[in-house]
Amino acid sequence: EADIYQTPRYLVIGTGKKITLECSQTMGHDKMYWYQQDPGMELHLIHYSYGVNSTEKGDLSSESTVSRIRTEHFPLTLESARPSHTSQYLCASSRILDEQYFGPGTRLTVT
Amino acid sequence: QKEVEQNSGPLSVPEGAIASLNCTYSDRGSQSFFWYRQYSGKSPELIMFIYSNGDKEDGRFTAQLNKASQYVSLLIRDSQPSDSATYLCAVGTGGYQKVTFGTGTKLQVIP
Repeated sequence: EADIYQTPRYLVIGTGKKITLECSQTMGHDKMYWYQQDPGMELHLIHYSYGVNSTEKGDLSSESTVSRIRTEHFPLTLESARPSHTSQYLCASSRILDEQYFGPGTRLTVT
Repeated sequence: QKEVEQNSGPLSVPEGAIASLNCTYSDRGSQSFFWYRQYSGKSPELIMFIYSNGDKEDGRFTAQLNKASQYVSLLIRDSQPSDSATYLCAVGTGGYQKVTFGTGTKLQVIP
């Protein structure tokens, strides 16, 4: 069973607040990913990392930023939340060439 | 043309029948192929992966890969109502390339 964790699971926050979504994995995977997914819609890759100090933007333009200071930790930060950021955020990890394991997700609502 | 294409469905099959889900991809250099199941409101869960041409069976699931025709399929035998979900096809080019997800096919198994 995959060991990848996301906190918080649910977050309701006001416009303009800074938020950080946490993602940690205990599998020693080099690759980590952040996806955004609206209900019933497709997955959109917003950030990924191939290892410590490596981060890349994904296919979907996002106002969020990420960091990868430790192999197991890949937090996503929104400096100023807006209602358009309301969505589900999914973190995943994998070894090179291997399948991705997903965390439980964070459901974000910006009011 | 999208890199990974799937029919969005819904695909409706009666309980006990075989469900056949298809996916085509555009990059001939693709090396790894995955099928994920996603229940409504949940994270994607890996159910099959395949790297070589041919069939790969795991319980009621069979993944089929045809690199010459650039398609990968998932067969679900003896379909159960609990199989009702969205099935995501994902394709990777290996190494340090990211995996691309299709938009998913919604499967409905009718009791």
